[in-house]
Amino acid sequence: AQSVSQHNHHVILSEAASLELGCNYSYGGTVNLFWYVQYPGQHLQLLLKYFSGDPLVKGIKGFEAEFIKSKFSFNLRKPSVQWSDTAEYFCASLGRGEYGNKLVFGAGTILRVKS
Amino acid sequence: DTEVTQTPKHLVMGMTNKKSLKCEQHMGHRAMYWYKQKAKKPPELMFVYSYEKLSINESVPSRFSPECPNSSLLNLHLHALQPEDSALYLCASSRDRTYEQYFGPGTRLTVT
Repeated sequence: AQSVSQHNHHVILSEAASLELGCNYSYGGTVNLFWYVQYPGQHLQLLLKYFSGDPLVKGIKGFEAEFIKSKFSFNLRKPSVQWSDTAEYFCASLGRGEYGNKLVFGAGTILRVKS
Repeated sequence: DTEVTQTPKHLVMGMTNKKSLKCEQHMGHRAMYWYKQKAKKPPELMFVYSYEKLSINESVPSRFSPECPNSSLLNLHLHALQPEDSALYLCASSRDRTYEQYFGPGTRLTVT
């Protein structure tokens, strides 16, 4: 079955620290990959997406992610976090074909940035 | 504009009530979705509509009944719910089922 795992459930960083959130997906043929963010009291927003092509994708607010097919990974990075990045981050995969084009989410990582 | 709207924002209902959740998008998307999100958990897929036809029902109990009156609207009819059905219900839409999904703010449902 299609699955997504996120390595850390809680991450605490100081402002200006670098961020890397891990995400691994199960092998399932063609997959599209996403990172969503949920700020406190707000709805899920799309941060970035990978469909094909350049494995390094850039998203909004200075975030980027790298698709590494050999490691089934799609880690999220930001060189310097801000207090306003405090939020919950979800990695998600859209399994194509036999997986029925269903979006499956990881458990989420709660990021707290200390000012 | 990537806005999906949902009404109401909050809903409290008894176990014998009938209520409906509404979702609307004007992005010309042809796929629409209902998700359920419990506290501190990721969203879980309930239903998928593609070109106004039900494509996926993730074995959701019949007390939840989806409806897609047209390509812009999606309803979720609720009847005889249980307290454990209390959750945030999210609507999403996408160009079609292979594209990224955009989420609404959700309806916070409490069943008493």
